[in-house]
Amino acid sequence: KNQVEQSPQSLIILEGKNCTLQCNYTVSPFSNLRWYKQDTGRGPVSLTIMTFSENTKSNGRYTATLDADTKQSSLHITASQLSDSASYICVVTYGNNRLAFGKGNQVVVIP
Amino acid sequence: DVKVTQSSRYLVKRTGEKVFLECVQDMDHENMFWYRQDPGLGLRLIYFSYDVKMKEKGDIPEGYSVSREKKERFSLILESASTNQTSMYLCASRQGMVNSYNEQFFGPGTRLTVL
Repeated sequence: KNQVEQSPQSLIILEGKNCTLQCNYTVSPFSNLRWYKQDTGRGPVSLTIMTFSENTKSNGRYTATLDADTKQSSLHITASQLSDSASYICVVTYGNNRLAFGKGNQVVVIP
Repeated sequence: DVKVTQSSRYLVKRTGEKVFLECVQDMDHENMFWYRQDPGLGLRLIYFSYDVKMKEKGDIPEGYSVSREKKERFSLILESASTNQTSMYLCASRQGMVNSYNEQFFGPGTRLTVL
């Protein structure tokens, strides 16, 4: 069973609209959680990182939230642009510096 | 900026061939990683190395080997390529331990097709 579950698997949104991606994890002990953006045919690039004590972190139009009690994180994209079309991957660091990867949320922004 | 480069963006090989995927990082990172990424499966760790000449198996090492003769270079070797090794291969590097400040940086990926 995957230890990091992301939903929805894919979504299509209109340019200018907002969307929220979900990440639920079961691994412990928790260290930190990163959201990566991966453009088609490229390697993932880090958007945000959140530790246990952080609830919200923003990077431009991207805002990540973390609820360490319920083991849930979300990534909110505001006023989407065509360049936001990508896969968004949730990665949780836990235990003895182990990484658990989600399978990604595939976002397609259409004009 | 950290730069992780991979020798090829696209590679086509035949079944049974020996395949070398090269990865180079320019930030003197101790740790280097090889992943494969497949639709519906996400990223899976093949091998990693935390120092020169050191290597550790990841989650799916079967059919692969690695070499790290120099700190900046980490090679993935497919001794006898098979069609089920057709995939996107991603190299990554990281300084020290994984904490808030030590991001894992990824290369652009090599899309390998085995015919």
